[in-house]
Amino acid sequence: SQTIHQWPATLVQPVGSPLSLECTVEGTSNPNLYWYRQAAGRGLQLLFYSVGIGQISSEVPQNLSASRPQDRQFILSSKKLLLSDSGFYLCAWSQGLAGVGSYEQYFGPGTRLTVT
Amino acid sequence: GEDVEQSLFLSVREGDSSVINCTYTDSSSTYLYWYKQEPGAGLQLLTYIFSNMDMKQDQRLTVLLNKKDKHLSLRIADTQTGDSAIYFCAESSNYQLIWGAGTKLIIKP
Repeated sequence: SQTIHQWPATLVQPVGSPLSLECTVEGTSNPNLYWYRQAAGRGLQLLFYSVGIGQISSEVPQNLSASRPQDRQFILSSKKLLLSDSGFYLCAWSQGLAGVGSYEQYFGPGTRLTVT
Repeated sequence: GEDVEQSLFLSVREGDSSVINCTYTDSSSTYLYWYKQEPGAGLQLLTYIFSNMDMKQDQRLTVLLNKKDKHLSLRIADTQTGDSAIYFCAESSNYQLIWGAGTKLIIKP
């Protein structure tokens, strides 16, 4: 069966410090991968998604970046954190090509980031 | 553009049925989804329905789809305290899902 891991679970970082959040998926190959941010426990904001190694699509302009160095690894980074980067970060995966499959996404447990 | 709307809160008594509603705008969506999020946790896929279906039932959950009105609902029978969570509706759009803002289900004893 497939599993998705995220770490760390919680993180407190000062303004201006760098960030690296990691997500890995097991039990599947060539997944679509997603990074979301959720503010105040409510709506989801899609930050990045990737349909293959080295392919990253950015949904919103920000000081964050994403990379996919391996098929089942997705990394969210920042060189200098802002207070507004605080939130709950969720990684998700789905299987399927455009026009094929049901696109349901499966989520990791999330990382709670507090920028102080 | 595509949009998915949900009411922010729903309060029900324990043992009653809960009905969470959602409207969407993209008539070409092939799948519609319901997710559950408990406090501090990731989202859990509850169920999804293909757009050519009207209804799908899975134990205490019933999904109704009115494609003409672009209206989706999730009914939870015999609501329990463990159902207390935020419920998200989403529609498919190529590789992505378009999300509603979530409905917080509050259970009264």
